Amino acid sequence: DAMVIQNPRYQVTQFGKPVTLSCSQTLNHNVMYWYQQKSSQAPKLLFHYYDKDFNNEADTPDNFQSRRPNTSFCFLDIRSPGLGDAAMYLCATSRAPTSGGYEQYFGPGTRLTVT
Amino acid sequence: AQRVTQPEKLLSVFKGAPVELKCNYSYSGSPELFWYVQYSRQRLQLLLRHISRESIKGFTADLNKGETSFHLKKPFAQEEDSAMYYCALRRQAGTALIFGKGTTLSVSS
Repeated sequence: DAMVIQNPRYQVTQFGKPVTLSCSQTLNHNVMYWYQQKSSQAPKLLFHYYDKDFNNEADTPDNFQSRRPNTSFCFLDIRSPGLGDAAMYLCATSRAPTSGGYEQYFGPGTRLTVT
Repeated sequence: AQRVTQPEKLLSVFKGAPVELKCNYSYSGSPELFWYVQYSRQRLQLLLRHISRESIKGFTADLNKGETSFHLKKPFAQEEDSAMYYCALRRQAGTALIFGKGTTLSVSS
């Protein structure tokens, strides 16, 4: 099945220790997104890639970076995690909006714990 | 500012009762609205989009521009409808979505 895969599903890191979350897709979609979702809150977009073009949200902290080495993979790097960065991180993909039938496809998420 | 509001955190109904999950939005222009659903231990997935004017799993949602609402309705709730429901607005000039905080629907027998 074509899908969005996130690894690992659970990640524990120490305060200040860099961590990388991984997302891959077999849908061949142009756009890949990273959302942060804290408890009882809406998923909040951090940034997205439209092909190779990186689009950062204005309020995304500099601590969060992303890489997209090819169409299939996208990484979320947190350079110095703080306790406030503990959350569920969701990866999603979509076709280019001009393709019609716009829909975002989500991965299962990675739950990050910061100790 | 573009914003989505879901006023109810939790909605509990009995099986067979009608359901209405409220969603209001703030947007200048022609909005594109969606309902996403997350069942227990499953990923977030699209339920329906207003453009399609479809009915999925018995759910419908009508865009009311005058009231800036996109409420999700089902005439007879089923236990399998229990899930978290998110209303989302496609942001202007782009592909990004703005999500509401979500409403947990609990259907009991």
